[in-house]
Amino acid sequence: DTAVSQTPKYLVTQMGNDKSIKCEQNLGHDTMYWYKQDSKKFLKIMFSYNNKELIINETVPNRFSPKSPDKAHLNLHINSLELGDSAVYFCASSQGPGTGYEQYFGPGTRLTVT
Amino acid sequence: AQSVTQLDSQVPVFEEAPVELRCNYSSSVSVYLFWYVQYPNQGLQLLLKYLSGSTLVESINGFEAEFNKSQTSFHLRKPSVHISDTAEYFCAVSAPGGSYIPTFGRGTSLIVHP
Repeated sequence: DTAVSQTPKYLVTQMGNDKSIKCEQNLGHDTMYWYKQDSKKFLKIMFSYNNKELIINETVPNRFSPKSPDKAHLNLHINSLELGDSAVYFCASSQGPGTGYEQYFGPGTRLTVT
Repeated sequence: AQSVTQLDSQVPVFEEAPVELRCNYSSSVSVYLFWYVQYPNQGLQLLLKYLSGSTLVESINGFEAEFNKSQTSFHLRKPSVHISDTAEYFCAVSAPGGSYIPTFGRGTSLIVHP
């Protein structure tokens, strides 16, 4: 069984569109995250969501919004897509503190904005 | 706040040679340390971690890392690499006494040549 899954795996869209990426984890973890990985492989935390507490990286544009219908899901909505949003987006989850908040990553969604 | 520095962006090595990937961190509190590996077109997966106890930690595929508090380092080593070890390696730190959200280094690309 897949621990952290994301859909879609690839997403190609035009500038100005609105899109969503879905994430589900079946590990029973309390905390979920969204990361952005750029073309140079740099990994940047975007959001962390823990028991309804949302922690936002202040550098993330407000066009990005996470939505969590329940503890097992954290979806990412992106409005008015821009060329610079092209990247690979990873969802992750963790349990802690006994595990050190070890991250379990999904397979990634490659977003291409044209 | 914590930070992580991976000193080498790329490390080329021949098959069966030893390798060391360097990681230094800074933190005002005690830390948890991790190495993650990302194979091409995949998500990140945990390679090994240090939470407490023995400063030398090992993975199931022959990698090891040693926590050195005085040098604030957590270098990753393998005595003999395989072609299949070619991947991106990320060092990460989280702080049990501070933010649980991990901080990742910029990654080191290990390229194993035949």
